[in-house]
Amino acid sequence: SYVLTQPPSVSVAPGMTARITCGGNNIGRKGVNWYQQKPDQAPILVIYYDIDRPSGIPDRFSGASSGNTATLTITRVEAGDEADYYCQVLDNRSDPPYVFGPGTKVTVL
Amino acid sequence: EVQLVESGGGFGQPGGSLRLSCAASGFPFISYDMHWVRQAAGKGLEWVSSLDASGKTSYRGSVKGRFTISRENAKNSLYLQMDSLRVEDTAVYYCARGYIDSAFDSWGQGTQVTVSS
Repeated sequence: SYVLTQPPSVSVAPGMTARITCGGNNIGRKGVNWYQQKPDQAPILVIYYDIDRPSGIPDRFSGASSGNTATLTITRVEAGDEADYYCQVLDNRSDPPYVFGPGTKVTVL
Repeated sequence: EVQLVESGGGFGQPGGSLRLSCAASGFPFISYDMHWVRQAAGKGLEWVSSLDASGKTSYRGSVKGRFTISRENAKNSLYLQMDSLRVEDTAVYYCARGYIDSAFDSWGQGTQVTVSS
């Protein structure tokens, strides 16, 4: 099965930039999606296909992917950005085909 | 506005059955792939099953042969029949809409499934 890795936690001060990495074999060749999940809430898609933002997602959220690493960047971090963030890919040769990373807890100091 | 509302969760015994439902509104349900994703307490997200718009199903290995995904397009509804339940199936189950091949762009609020003797 395809495996994704994420750091367990990232801490960032308000107004600064948070970067969350997602590692996977040749992940740069797949489309990476990112989700934000706040406590007791359903996940929200914040980035799809590596770099695209769904409508309603602030442009403070951006994505990039190359080689074995994808990155979600949150600029001008706000208290409301504190949440768990999950990367996710589709690998049709894997079982399961839809794979999530373990998640990164972003703490706003 | 896209809405997904799950129901049918609750308590089940090991070896028992539960049937989850997801009522969809606000979009042409017949045209979209639909998914079930679960999350155990304090754990990460885990894809469970998919049913695409053409009727093709797929399952993660641990539920294959025990869970059955289905849809009723006339009722804008998605279902998950869960048989031979195991304690490790305990989780919040989310219904999610598929988007551009691989993403899940809308999610329901989730329904809790607890399997215990």
